[in-house]
Amino acid sequence: SAVISQKPSRDICQRGTSLTIQCQVDSQVTMMFWYRQQPGQSLTLIATANQGSEATYESGFVIDKFPISRPNLTFSTLTVSNMSPEDSSIYLCSAMTGEQFFGPGTRLTVL
Amino acid sequence: EDQVTQSPEALRLQEGESSSLNCSYTVSGLRGLFWYRQDPGKGPEFLFTLYSAGEEKEKERLKATLTKKESFLHITAPKPEDSATYLCAVQAGNTDKLIFGTGTRLQVFP
Repeated sequence: SAVISQKPSRDICQRGTSLTIQCQVDSQVTMMFWYRQQPGQSLTLIATANQGSEATYESGFVIDKFPISRPNLTFSTLTVSNMSPEDSSIYLCSAMTGEQFFGPGTRLTVL
Repeated sequence: EDQVTQSPEALRLQEGESSSLNCSYTVSGLRGLFWYRQDPGKGPEFLFTLYSAGEEKEKERLKATLTKKESFLHITAPKPEDSATYLCAVQAGNTDKLIFGTGTRLQVFP
């Protein structure tokens, strides 16, 4: 298994600003993932982040809006850029260590 | 298109009243089917992975089964602490990403 932490746990931001979410895994992993969970809905994959390569984005998500960094095998960041109220959501990171484990999420509210 | 459907959307049970949650899927090349539990305000907690039809896995009051078209999560004699949203996800093709269903919100009353 893997223990995954995220920072911040929650934030309230003004529209037009950007927020960077950090994800730390307690072991080295090849693949990390970023998901979005909108209120009352299930999880939607934003992108897959492999160390040493560009992130792979799902349909409907673009790098300019959600830039991702993956500097090493235990850490990744997701930035939500030029935020609008529609970006209010829970953002979750996960990692593959045999199974896929999730962090506790970052609850983002955009005013 | 790969699709995962969970039913019912919500389920209310009396403590001790056993029941099943359903996850039906349409995917090309299933590699694994995952069950997670999610409590309010928290990330999904891994429960089970099933890889092939006929496989079963158990953990305390939960048992997951898999056929070629669906999976069931059986809850035997549930307790109030089993109240949560249960999510099903599939991994298919040559990718490691998970495709999630919309979940079943379970409430168990004493």
